[in-house]
Amino acid sequence: AQSVAQPEDQVNVAEGNPLTVKCTYSVSGNPYLFWYVQYPNRGLQFLLKYITGDNLVKGSYGFEAEFNKSQTSFHLKNPSALVCDSAFYFCAVRPRRSGSARQLTFGSGTQLTVLP
Amino acid sequence: DTEVTQTPKHLVMGMTNKKSLKCEQHMGHRAMYWYKQKAKKPPELMFVYSYEKLSINESVPSRFSPECPNSSLLNLHLHALQPEDSALYLCASSQAGLEVYNEQFFGPGTRLTVL
Repeated sequence: AQSVAQPEDQVNVAEGNPLTVKCTYSVSGNPYLFWYVQYPNRGLQFLLKYITGDNLVKGSYGFEAEFNKSQTSFHLKNPSALVCDSAFYFCAVRPRRSGSARQLTFGSGTQLTVLP
Repeated sequence: DTEVTQTPKHLVMGMTNKKSLKCEQHMGHRAMYWYKQKAKKPPELMFVYSYEKLSINESVPSRFSPECPNSSLLNLHLHALQPEDSALYLCASSQAGLEVYNEQFFGPGTRLTVL
């Protein structure tokens, strides 16, 4: 069974500073990895995904994530946080093997607060 | 059109009521999903439709009844709900087929309150 861990419930960062939201996973083989963002009272919005190839994935709004196979991590980063980045962030994993259920396994989520 | 729409935005119902949630997308996606989300928690998968056929039911109680009338629409019929069913109900869609790396597009959700 696959699992995703987001070890920090809350991350606070000052505007203009770099931010990191951590994610580690446990799944057989190489997974597909995703980051979603959820603003208050809204649905989830896709940010970026890792499928294969370059370990550094660039996504929307200046966000990027690095796939690290040896550490089974997929941390989300942004070099310069904005107040409007404040939201709930979910990491998700889906195994590659065929026949598996078409479902994402989500992490518990991290509340990012960017302070002005 | 890259949007998933959901109606209503808010719904308050009693435990004896029957109501329906609606979801629509016009992106040509052939996989559609219902999720339930409690505050500050990740979404929990309820149902998956692939090519208008129910492919996954995550042991959801029968008081929730999904329906996929066509490739663009997804309904969730509600009957005899319990207060603990109060949550944000999210619809999502994605490309279907074997491409399990396709991201899902989520609607804004319906905030359901059961009294």
